[in-house]
Amino acid sequence: LAKTTQPISMDSYEGQEVNITCSHNNIATNDYITWYQQFPSQGPRFIIQGYKTKVTNEVASLFIPADRKSSTLSLPRVSLSDTAVYYCLVAFDYKLSFGAGTTVTVRA
Amino acid sequence: GAVVSQHPSRVICKSGTSVKIECRSLDFQATTMFWYRQFPKKSLMLMATSNEGSKATYEQGVEKDKFLINHASLTLSTLTVTSAHPEDSSFYICSALGQGQEKLFFGSGTQLSVL
Repeated sequence: LAKTTQPISMDSYEGQEVNITCSHNNIATNDYITWYQQFPSQGPRFIIQGYKTKVTNEVASLFIPADRKSSTLSLPRVSLSDTAVYYCLVAFDYKLSFGAGTTVTVRA
Repeated sequence: GAVVSQHPSRVICKSGTSVKIECRSLDFQATTMFWYRQFPKKSLMLMATSNEGSKATYEQGVEKDKFLINHASLTLSTLTVTSAHPEDSSFYICSALGQGQEKLFFGSGTQLSVL
C-alpha cells in the first residue's frame, strides 16, 4: 500500500482558498488518488478522485503532477462548515490505508 | 451518489454482551465491504475486508473470533463484536464497493460504548 504524507493541520479563514498537498512517493502505476472529508463522529465523505493532471468537480479541484508523486487538493472559498479532517489515499484495489489526515480549521 | 446505511449509529452495552452492527448498500450491490475502527482523534484503521459469499480477510492483529463479519448478501454486511469489553469501545465504520464503481462509499459510523 502506498504511504501518504500530509500536513497535520492547517488554519484558514472564511472565503480563502485552501490547498492541501499530499506526498505519495511510491505510488503504483495503477493507483488512483482519492480525497475524503470527515467530520467528527461521521464516516468519511468522498470529495474527489483523480489519476493524473487536473480534476475539478463542484466542491474541489485536484492537481496531480506528471510524476504523480504528490497531489494537491484545492478547496475554493472555504466556509466554517469546511472545518474537518481531510484524508489523501492512494489505492488500486480499494483496500484503503488511511494516514493521519489533515485537520483543516476555518475561522470567521 | 451511492448510499451506504449503517445501523445503529450509537450503542451502549454491558461488558460481556455481543453487539451487531449492520452495513447496507441502499442503491447498489456491494461486492466488497470494508470494516474500520477509529479511536478519538485518530485515523481509521482497517479491520477486515469482506466479499459477498466468502470468509472475511482480517488485518494483522484483528481477532477474527472477536469481530465476526458476515457478508451474506450483496447489500448487507454485519460486524458482531462478541463478548464486548470496555477496550472495544470505539467508532466503527463500514464502506462498500460495487461492481464497476471506482470509489468507496462509507457508512455514517457506529459509536460503541461498552460499560
